[in-house]
Amino acid sequence: DGGITQSPKYLFRKEGQNVTLSCEQNLNHDAMYWYRQDPGQGLRLIYYSQIVNDFQKGDIAEGYSVSREKKESFPLTVTSAQKNPTAFYLCASSIEDRGADTQYFGPGTRLTVL
Amino acid sequence: QKEVEQDPGPLSVPEGAIVSLNCTYSNSAFQYFMWYRQYSRKGPELLMYTYSSGNKEDGRFTAQVDKSSKYISLFIRDSQPSDSATYLCAMTAFYGQNFVFGPGTRLSVLP
Repeated sequence: DGGITQSPKYLFRKEGQNVTLSCEQNLNHDAMYWYRQDPGQGLRLIYYSQIVNDFQKGDIAEGYSVSREKKESFPLTVTSAQKNPTAFYLCASSIEDRGADTQYFGPGTRLTVL
Repeated sequence: QKEVEQDPGPLSVPEGAIVSLNCTYSNSAFQYFMWYRQYSRKGPELLMYTYSSGNKEDGRFTAQVDKSSKYISLFIRDSQPSDSATYLCAMTAFYGQNFVFGPGTRLSVLP
């Protein structure tokens, strides 16, 4: 089955802890993205990567870090510096289609800070 | 003014109704428009993808873009309870530029 997988589905974190969210895709897509979704707000871009070993900050990168060592994998670390990390986190990958990216999303990880 | 606006709903309709979901935007450079459907606690799934102005039909779904009014719509014919979800619009100007998403409209189709 081709697709994007995210793990874990639910994650609980204590104050002051770093946690890493996994995102893997077997679609052979070059670009990958991390979004954060909060109630009543649109998806907000955290980080994105167009190619391996390269990534850029999105609109709300503070308190987050990423790596892109393999084409298939784009893990997101939520650090203790992120002041309000409780949210639904979505990973996406994309392929160029008729001049623009067509983004496909994973099932999401719901992070709760205790 | 937000770059992309959507009525958050909830929008409740009876089964079989025609549903109209809309987004307005402020950036006239946008020319690629997408609609995603998101079930509760799931990732969004791509429904429709349109370029520039005009209509695109796929089964019970029709996407409409009016660039002169900066207004896009998604119509659902013969709505079903399984259509109950949040619908997100997204748009971008060109390849390599990140998408801007609307906040989503929550739709309930009542049997």
